[in-house]
Amino acid sequence: SAVISQKPSRDICQRGTSLTIQCQVDSQVTMMFWYRQQPGQSLTLIATANQGSEATYESGFVIDKFPISRPNLTFSTLTVSNMSPEDSSIYLCSVRRDRASTEAFFGQGTRLTVV
Amino acid sequence: GNSVTQMEGPVTLSEEAFLTINCTYTATGYPSLFWYVQYPGEGLQLLLKATKADDKGSNKGFEATYRKETTSFHLEKGSVQVSDSAVYFCALGGPIQGAQKLVFGQGTRLTINP
Repeated sequence: SAVISQKPSRDICQRGTSLTIQCQVDSQVTMMFWYRQQPGQSLTLIATANQGSEATYESGFVIDKFPISRPNLTFSTLTVSNMSPEDSSIYLCSVRRDRASTEAFFGQGTRLTVV
Repeated sequence: GNSVTQMEGPVTLSEEAFLTINCTYTATGYPSLFWYVQYPGEGLQLLLKATKADDKGSNKGFEATYRKETTSFHLEKGSVQVSDSAVYFCALGGPIQGAQKLVFGQGTRLTINP
């Protein structure tokens, strides 16, 4: 398995500000993903974080709102920009060790509340 | 596109009761199927998986069988415990080395009363 650390674990932010969430993995992984879990709902994939290149965003998510960095094989950040109350969610980092692996591992999530 | 439909919750049972949480899917090709569990205040943990038709995944007394003919992956446990109280997510992933992202069902909140 992979040990994934997310920071911060929770935050309360003012609308119009930005928050950067960090995801650190204890070993090199090929695939890293960012998901959003809105209150009482399921998980929705925001984007795939690609090492050394721009992230691949899912329909409905754009780089200006959710810029992502992935400088190496163990670390990624997701920024939630110009926040509004609708961005209040849990944001989760997920990894797959390599393309042959079917298992995805998740961080504990970042609970974001925008006021 | 791929999708997963889960039994609506919340589900409340007494300790030692039999549990079934239904999950059906729509997918092209030969997806892998997963059950994840989310305990209060925690991230998701993989509970079990199956990568091909007729495979049975099992862990911690939970089981699910990949049924291609009924496109289902129902989660079962013969005797639940209070510690099983959590939210359970059925998920679908691409075949090995195929599409990498997971598609999740809406989640089923399970509460077990002593």
